[in-house]
Amino acid sequence: GAGVSQSPSNKVTEKGKDVELRCDPISGHTALYWYRQSLGQGLEFLIYFQGNSAPDKSGLPSDRFSAERTGGSVSTLTIQRTQQEDSAVYLCASSLGPGDGAYEQYFGPGTRLTVT
Amino acid sequence: GEDVEQSLFLSVREGDSSVINCTYTDSSSTYLYWYKQEPGAGLQLLTYIFSNMDMKQDQRLTVLLNKKDKHLSLRIADTQTGDSAIYFCAVEGTNAGKSTFGDGTTLTVKP
Repeated sequence: GAGVSQSPSNKVTEKGKDVELRCDPISGHTALYWYRQSLGQGLEFLIYFQGNSAPDKSGLPSDRFSAERTGGSVSTLTIQRTQQEDSAVYLCASSLGPGDGAYEQYFGPGTRLTVT
Repeated sequence: GEDVEQSLFLSVREGDSSVINCTYTDSSSTYLYWYKQEPGAGLQLLTYIFSNMDMKQDQRLTVLLNKKDKHLSLRIADTQTGDSAIYFCAVEGTNAGKSTFGDGTTLTVKP
């Protein structure tokens, strides 16, 4: 079946503009995660959804960042008034859960955001 | 919260074994994962180990877990140039479903 998809794959925006990034998880996956990967850096956790609720928003860097998930499926990550330090690859992942067993996360290809 | 540490770089010759190390802080960790990220791609799960195991072997991959020292390693036997990638250690703690990732180890395989 289809994997996790993200759109757009690349986004170039001017400083101060708002951007919206989209993630389509694997069908049936109840958990969804957003991460940020800056050049040469590891993964920075942003937010985790279980269904439509977000039990852990601890990674969102500032109040300019928000995310929502509707219908237990598609999620959007919105960055308002973008800054140059927001430039990074934004990765989305989904997994089965909760339940017994390992929570393998299936990652999308990412959205590369460049703020000029 | 959980802290996961990895060395940033490893370089080996083709045909040698590679050992990538990871340390973590949460002793109640349940599942521990290794992911691989090839250039320009997302992460892909390589293997995982449950915390009541101390070793898992899967073809060229061997995972060793030392719970006492909170140390996890990934050994790749007969390393090939196609193994060149970034390898991430991830640890799932008491907050089931959420893993904490290390910063990744960039493995370079030289011919």
